[in-house]
Amino acid sequence: SQTIHQWPATLVQPVGSPLSLECTVEGTSNPNLYWYRQAAGRGLQLLFYSVGIGQISSEVPQNLSASRPQDRQFILSSKKLLLSDSGFYLCAWSVGQGGDQPQHFGDGTRLSIL
Amino acid sequence: AQSVTQLDSHVSVSEGTPVLLRCNYSSSYSPSLFWYVQHPNKGLQLLLKYTSAATLVKGINGFEAEFKKSETSFHLTKPSAHMSDAAEYFCVVSDRTSYDKVIFGPGTSLSVIP
Repeated sequence: SQTIHQWPATLVQPVGSPLSLECTVEGTSNPNLYWYRQAAGRGLQLLFYSVGIGQISSEVPQNLSASRPQDRQFILSSKKLLLSDSGFYLCAWSVGQGGDQPQHFGDGTRLSIL
Repeated sequence: AQSVTQLDSHVSVSEGTPVLLRCNYSSSYSPSLFWYVQHPNKGLQLLLKYTSAATLVKGINGFEAEFKKSETSFHLTKPSAHMSDAAEYFCVVSDRTSYDKVIFGPGTSLSVIP
């Protein structure tokens, strides 16, 4: 069966520090991969998605970036965190070219910026 | 263009009474529709999906939803609420032909009173 792992589960970082969040998927090949951010009490904001190694699409311009160095690995990064980067970050995967397949989510990373 | 409206930001029910969470959508395409549940500090879990087969869709944990094209609605129901149903619920619409046109609703918070 397919599984998705995100780490760390929680992270506290000072303003201006770098960030690296990792997501890996097991049990499927060539998944579509997604990074979302969820601010407190709000819905999901799509940040990045990827359909293959090295292929990244950005939905929202900001100081975050994403990379996909391997088929089932998706990394969210920042060189210098802002206070506004606080939130709950979720990674998800899906398969296929159509939107009739659901996305499957990891348990998220709670990021607090001090 | 696609959009999702969840008509209630918060719903409160007594344990053992029916649950109704409302969702209306707008889509220029043939949509796929999903309901997800999110418990505190967790990722989203798929409850059910509609992808053009039967209009009444049964999901996990006793939930079901009915696709009504004439009303552009996809309301989520459960005959009898359980304490463990207290969570955030998201209605999602996607373009059936494209993996990257997925719109999440703002969410409805469900409280269950003992």
